[in-house]
Amino acid sequence: EVQLLESGGGLVQPGGSLRLSCAASGFTFSSYAMSWVRQAPGKGLEWVSAISGHGVSTYYADSVKGRFTISRDYSNSTLYLQMNSLRAEDTAVYYCAKYYGGNSPKYYFDQWGQGTLVTVSS
Amino acid sequence: EIVLTQSPGTLSLSPGERATLSCRASQSVSNSYLAWYQQKPGQAPSLLIYGASSRATGIPDRFSGSGSGTDFTLTINRLEPEDFAVYYCQQYGTSPPRTFGQGTKVEIK
Repeated sequence: EVQLLESGGGLVQPGGSLRLSCAASGFTFSSYAMSWVRQAPGKGLEWVSAISGHGVSTYYADSVKGRFTISRDYSNSTLYLQMNSLRAEDTAVYYCAKYYGGNSPKYYFDQWGQGTLVTVSS
Repeated sequence: EIVLTQSPGTLSLSPGERATLSCRASQSVSNSYLAWYQQKPGQAPSLLIYGASSRATGIPDRFSGSGSGTDFTLTINRLEPEDFAVYYCQQYGTSPPRTFGQGTKVEIK
């Protein structure tokens, strides 16, 4: 059974940093592209970032480019999102999601984690 | 970037009725690469439909998807109490897929 377990959310001041983690199990982690998708309170889904299965290719939404960095660690099957220069508008539940289809992030999400809440406020 | 517009924003129906949700793309979605997700309150989204019309594993056949090009539809026949939720469409014709629709809430009338 595929499991994605996010952690690392919390309250942070504007301008601060936070690193989110997503522990993956139940599938061959290195074989699948992964992504972060966020949802602001009461709002819809917003794609944030993606990384290929082999980790060579990364992609970012314009709203986070230059501030967020996605990475993955194969030794412990964990996906990360390093978030710097946080703003109030980054407040959201952040979901880790697995792409269907393999190394390239070009299909739909077939598995989602339960999410971790990030609140940016002074 | 392809923009997805879902309508209506909210659908008020009774259990047993049929729900028809629309997702319109600003340009043609290649290969009918459109997915639908269901999100219940306090839960993560989950995959319902991919390839515009293929049901994901374990999804009951009262859920069906159709459409191509720029117009797509999710139909839920005979609404069950557990079907009242928010539904999002997503296109994956561009890599990586970046856009979701804004969602349609199906609520109990």
